[in-house]
Amino acid sequence: GAGVSQSPRYKVTKRGQDVALRCDPISGHVSLYWYRQALGQGPEFLTYFNYEAQQDKSGLPNDRFSAERPEGSISTLTIQRTEQRDSAMYRCASRTPWGGDTGELFFGEGSRLTVL
Amino acid sequence: SQKIEQNSEALNIQEGKTATLTCNYTNYSPAYLQWYRQDPGRGPVFLLLIRENEKEKRKERLKVTFDTTLKQSLFHITASQPADSATYLCAARAGGTSYGKLTFGQGTILTVHP
Repeated sequence: GAGVSQSPRYKVTKRGQDVALRCDPISGHVSLYWYRQALGQGPEFLTYFNYEAQQDKSGLPNDRFSAERPEGSISTLTIQRTEQRDSAMYRCASRTPWGGDTGELFFGEGSRLTVL
Repeated sequence: SQKIEQNSEALNIQEGKTATLTCNYTNYSPAYLQWYRQDPGRGPVFLLLIRENEKEKRKERLKVTFDTTLKQSLFHITASQPADSATYLCAARAGGTSYGKLTFGQGTILTVHP
């Protein structure tokens, strides 16, 4: 696609429910990143993939959070047993590693999660 | 712990002036620093990258400097315009980590008044 696409754009859920957030990166982008952004703050790293392999999940807050990218394209971030503190904007970003790398990340518009 | 701090939450300037935003880092030796622009309700958009062995980088009206002695990067917008009003984020990548694994500052909200 033309840009990084995330869905849903808005998700309101009740405490204790599971949620799945989806990211479709730019076509051909090998690396995919998940960030979380609180209001008035910069994005905070959660995890990233190269192709289908999860390379680093050091930013996931706890074991309720997981992510997958089974075919090396679309990725899903899953939060189990949601808590109010999970409320935030979840952003996906992708990049291409090929030639003359600037390290530039292309961000999606985000999924705004509200846990009641 | 590694920390990136942008020392102004908000900056207000008049159109035509130069905006200067500051990014400081502690407990860190970034391989490079990036600057992003973020408009309300949108994702961050990449502007410039500067590597640790570079002193200065320019792109049109934008200029970034990197001072490893002061542990600081300055981001300048010359001849500022109201359309430059946005939040500007500084981000650092540590050497040896993934190119896209960045630590972001909290951002500076720039408002350019006509």
